[in-house]
Amino acid sequence: RKEVEQDPGPFNVPEGATVAFNCTYSNSASQSFFWYRQDCRKEPKLLMSVYSSGNEDGRFTAQLNRASQYISLLIRDSKLSDSATYLCVVKRRGQFYFGTGTSLTVIP
Amino acid sequence: DTGVSQDPRHKITKRGQNVTFRCDPISEHNRLYWYRQTLGQGPEFLTYFQNEAQLEKSRLLSDRFSAERPKGSFSTLEIQRTEQGDSAMYLCASSASESGANVLTFGAGSRLTVL
Repeated sequence: RKEVEQDPGPFNVPEGATVAFNCTYSNSASQSFFWYRQDCRKEPKLLMSVYSSGNEDGRFTAQLNRASQYISLLIRDSKLSDSATYLCVVKRRGQFYFGTGTSLTVIP
Repeated sequence: DTGVSQDPRHKITKRGQNVTFRCDPISEHNRLYWYRQTLGQGPEFLTYFQNEAQLEKSRLLSDRFSAERPKGSFSTLEIQRTEQGDSAMYLCASSASESGANVLTFGAGSRLTVL
């Protein structure tokens, strides 16, 4: 079973739309959680860490449900520049596990 | 020190040849990771170091792959007798020591094409 499972998409949404991505993780001992963004043919970059209390950074909101082992990312008022692949990442005992990524294209 | 540096950025080689990639992490980061990424997939863990000690190596990694971090600074990843299936982006990342929700910072990657 994969450590992190994500719906690969693609998600094609119009500008201004709200879009949500989800992922699940298999190991309850996972300690830290993140969303990374990866632009085409570029390296992954940290978008935000995810906390149990939920956290927001501008148009982006991340949620963690430890009981369900579920992580979400909500993007409000989508911009063309949000088009990228969003990678769900969990950390356990010093090692980082990546999902396959969810592809988002924001359409004018 | 502006980030994680990788060299070369691109490498084209013939099957059976050996290749070596170098990674220079952020200087104050003592953990260094190697990942491999193919099209449509997320980064796949290969190995990681804390200082000069190799703490873990993926069971998926064949013995043709070896990594070193001799002085706890830069690292090299060598692939011997390359195969076409080795074609991928090899990503290096570094992080600070274990404390809280520390994060990975990636280099731009080394793209390998095996003909």
